[in-house]
Amino acid sequence: QVQLVQSGSELKKPGASVKVSCKASGYTFTSYAINWVRQAPGHGLEWLGWIHTNTGNPTYAQGLTGRFVFSLDTSVSTAYLQISSLKAEDTAVYFCAIETLVNWNFDYWGQGTLVTVSS
Amino acid sequence: QSALTQPASVSGSPGQSITISCTGTTSDIGDYNFVSWYQQLPGKAPRLIIYEVIYRPSGVTDRFSGSKSGNTASLTISGLQAEDEADYHCASYTSSASVVFGGGTKLTVL
Repeated sequence: QVQLVQSGSELKKPGASVKVSCKASGYTFTSYAINWVRQAPGHGLEWLGWIHTNTGNPTYAQGLTGRFVFSLDTSVSTAYLQISSLKAEDTAVYFCAIETLVNWNFDYWGQGTLVTVSS
Repeated sequence: QSALTQPASVSGSPGQSITISCTGTTSDIGDYNFVSWYQQLPGKAPRLIIYEVIYRPSGVTDRFSGSKSGNTASLTISGLQAEDEADYHCASYTSSASVVFGGGTKLTVL
């Protein structure tokens, strides 16, 4: 069965970096793009962008700063989200998600990774 | 791209029907049928319950139904049950080749 398993919670200080992983299983990794979505505490969902798993080409949401970088390691069927120069407002749960039914409708999600930025 | 507009909260009694609206623009909901709805239980990942406006993934109860008129999509839950208490999020593809979500609606079953 399709599974997306993310790395565990992270506590970081402002200015540090974090790398969240999303390991896929149960399907051919290069069949579907990986999307990234975040949810700040008490807020709605925010789409951050996606990465093409065949080419590794990332697409970032408009307004997302260069501090966010999507990457892949296809040898281990894993996608990564790296955030640098962390700020308190980056505190959120970060999800990876894929669309297997139809584009832009996310039917499989990782369990989420809580990133807390606090001094 | 501004977030889609959803009511912050709705409530209903068991057995009743409720509808959650999701208002966008001609650049998203109004121009595309890539509208989806997600149910999110506390501390859990979102779960797709409606895709392409009206379709239900396998395993999703037919008490959930979706529709769209103009720039507004709607999710209707009929025969409300206690287990339906959750947050509901709408989403749409946009003319900027991106995805925009709504702010989420908290459903309380009285």
